[in-house]
Amino acid sequence: GAVVSQHPSRVICKSGTSVKIECRSLDFQATTMFWYRQFPKQSLMLMATSNEGSKATYEQGVEKDKFLINHASLTLSTLTVTSAHPEDSSFYICSAYRDRGADTQYFGPGTRLTVL
Amino acid sequence: AQTVTQSQPEMSVQEAETVTLSCTYDTSESDYYLFWYKQPPSRQMILVIRQEAYKQQNATENRFSVNFQKAAKSFSLKISDSQLGDAAMYFCAYSPYGQNFVFGPGTRLSVLP
Repeated sequence: GAVVSQHPSRVICKSGTSVKIECRSLDFQATTMFWYRQFPKQSLMLMATSNEGSKATYEQGVEKDKFLINHASLTLSTLTVTSAHPEDSSFYICSAYRDRGADTQYFGPGTRLTVL
Repeated sequence: AQTVTQSQPEMSVQEAETVTLSCTYDTSESDYYLFWYKQPPSRQMILVIRQEAYKQQNATENRFSVNFQKAAKSFSLKISDSQLGDAAMYFCAYSPYGQNFVFGPGTRLSVLP
């Protein structure tokens, strides 16, 4: 149990376009999901916390109009990178928080975004 | 603010030997969780082990065990009988109940055949 999927695994796009990344908890409901960005050889940097049915909470320095987050159901959160620039190229990882005794984050496999 | 420190950027261990990865954290909370996650070259974050702060008994999961010293705010991971598949980045993480996780900078573990 506690499987989280993320789609797509890799995406290449042109500057100025938008890209949507989906994060799904497959076998549990997650009222809270998280979005991270990871630079090469570094730790995970929290971008935002996504709560089902409410607005996401963004970390300081993360542009909420650039990184749109929607948590429409208890099993799905999406991250849309709008008007992508080459500096947005990175590895994006989502996680779903499982409570009720687990109190643990389970991670998706990540998405490699390359903006040309 | 809570912080997590992993003082060993890189470690190596011979196959079948034992290695210990260090982690210290700073918090004023009394109840919280601590985790070790593994990130192999595939970059999938995998939960290795979890410890609840109110439990004095150290958590174990097969070849993985922790040494949790609450007063010292230390949470080390011991890997016994190391295998080639254990080679990965290991992240220590702290979480106050129901709140965001704080990750350490990671330790890269190499396993030598």
